[in-house]
Amino acid sequence: ETGVTQSPTHLIKTRGQQVTLRCSSQSGHNTVSWYQQALGQGPQFIFQYYREEENGRGNFPPRFSGLQFPNYSSELNVNALELDDSALYLCASSHRGGGLREQFFGPGTRLTVL
Amino acid sequence: AQSVTQPDIHITVSEGASLELRCNYSYGATPYLFWYVQSPGQGLQLLLKYFSGDTLVQGIKGFEAEFKRSQSSFNLRKPSVHWSDAAEYFCAVVKEGAQKLVFGQGTRLTINP
Repeated sequence: ETGVTQSPTHLIKTRGQQVTLRCSSQSGHNTVSWYQQALGQGPQFIFQYYREEENGRGNFPPRFSGLQFPNYSSELNVNALELDDSALYLCASSHRGGGLREQFFGPGTRLTVL
Repeated sequence: AQSVTQPDIHITVSEGASLELRCNYSYGATPYLFWYVQSPGQGLQLLLKYFSGDTLVQGIKGFEAEFKRSQSSFNLRKPSVHWSDAAEYFCAVVKEGAQKLVFGQGTRLTINP
């Protein structure tokens, strides 16, 4: 059984650029959630994907978008990057039937926007 | 709206001493409750969780937490800390059927040798 994996581990972008982060869910999990963790803060919910559709969204602008693929892996896309987008981006997977009782987090992608 | 308060931003304890990290939540009904630990530069690891039943729950690494409905609290405890427990600890809640975990701001734990 493989855990949640994310790529890349780190990346550096400049303001205005676009970025794509990737997440592979844990085996048997069909739901993926994305969180943003700014330095010194707790994670903030961005959105969740189930059956390849967005299934709930936090207080993030539309330039944050996502995809989920038939194998349940997911992408987070951020357009027009701003300095405040610098953060650790965490992906978490769970099984829809279990709600969020069993949600496992990946190691995260550290994004730095210069 | 749900909220989670971790009143202590930073706690320092000596190795071998006992530990209690506080967590209070604001929500009309009893949500599901979690404690996660995050080592520097790492993701989140689940320490323990409470859904219902016995209000004292045991987790990994010797941690336990007690749910107190009257105080809307879910404090994390460990009788004797080890240097390897130094990390950031997050309390989180989720309403049954909801899509998102709501996290507290975290408590950074430093261990003195």
